[in-house]
Formats: sequence, C-alpha cells, structure tokens
Amino acid sequence: NAGVTQTPKFQVLKTGQSMTLQCAQDMNHEYMSWYRQDPGMGLRLIHYSVGAGITDQGEVPNGYNVSRSTTEDFPLRLLSAAPSQTSVYFCASSSGPLRYFGPGTRLTVT
Amino acid sequence: KQEVTQIPAALSVPEGENLVLNCSFTDSAIYNLQWFRQDPGKGLTSLLLIQSSQREQTSGRLNASLDKSSGRSTLYIAASQPGDSATYLCAVPVYGQNFVFGPGTRLSVLP
Repeated sequence: NAGVTQTPKFQVLKTGQSMTLQCAQDMNHEYMSWYRQDPGMGLRLIHYSVGAGITDQGEVPNGYNVSRSTTEDFPLRLLSAAPSQTSVYFCASSSGPLRYFGPGTRLTVT
Repeated sequence: KQEVTQIPAALSVPEGENLVLNCSFTDSAIYNLQWFRQDPGKGLTSLLLIQSSQREQTSGRLNASLDKSSGRSTLYIAASQPGDSATYLCAVPVYGQNFVFGPGTRLSVLP
C-alpha cells in the first residue's frame, strides 16, 4: 500500500492564482481531511469528508473548496491564492481513531 | 471550544535521559487522546492512542498517561536516543472523527 499520497510536494503561487492540491489514499478509508500547519499554531482542520459525495467545513474553510467524487481522492482547491494561505498542507485518512497522514505540500503565495 | 496546549515548546536533552512531554486540554469530555510524532518535512505518525477508560498506554520506550479530570496527558520517553529527535503533538477528538491538535513540542536529543 502507498498509504496517503500528496502532490505536489512544493508549490509557489502568485496572489490571485488558483490551484488544486491532490490527495489520494489506497486503504479504502471513508474519512479524509485536510489540515494546514503554521508555526506555533499546530494543525487546523480546513475541510473533511466522511465518504464519497459528502464534505463539510472545518475550522478554517474560507478560501478553500473540496469535493469527494471517489473514496480514494480528496482534492483541495485554492480559488484565489492569498499570502495568508502560505502554509504546509496535510491530507489525512482514517477508518477509526487512528489517523494516517500524507507527507505534506509546502505552499508559498507571493 | 476545545483548546490544546503543550509544554515545553522545545526541549534539548543529552542522549540517555528520561523525559516528559506535557499536553493539556480544556474540555475533559473526551473519549480518547492521541500522541503523534512529526519528523522535519514529513507528515505525522501516530504513536499512542489512549481511550478515556485507560489511564496509560505503552509502546516500547514510550508511555502515555491520561488524566481526564485534570485535563492532562503526559508522554514519557525512557532512555532517549538521537533518533527520538522530532516534534511530538497531542490531539483530542472534537466531533465525528475530527481532532484538535496541540502546537507540539520540538525535541532534540544530543549524542
């Protein structure tokens, strides 16, 4: 199993650009989520999904969209990038209390 | 609103020392608590999961305790090694399968 994979590993965007961060898992987990990690603030939940076709907002959803058309994939879209979205983004999946994390995407918005 | 804090923010110790990392949470109505490890530039790896009915959970040189009434958990690392150097985060569930994470303790174990 590859576990949770994320692409790209690094990305630099200009303010106002849009992009999609990809996340995929091969463990057939129903639950998937996106977090951002900023220095001194821990991980904050952006959006999550409890199964294909079902998504919901987390703590910091503004500026981000998600969709879940398959069990395997959970992409995160930045609609119009802002410098405040500079962060490290982690995707995670689980089928219970244990969480499996991807390696992260480091995003810089200039 | 559940808030999670961790003390200390950073810790540097010589190899071989026993050490304790602390995690505090404001709402004691939790049903489990997890400790994670994060290596630089990597994702998080789950170390220990303590259910609310347990007081301790052990894995190798790691021992985690949970005191719900006081809103605290500790992670004890015995005989620390340079390979233990990483950031350690605790997390508690809030709704559904979602977590609130602490900011982490960055540990450096010096050879």
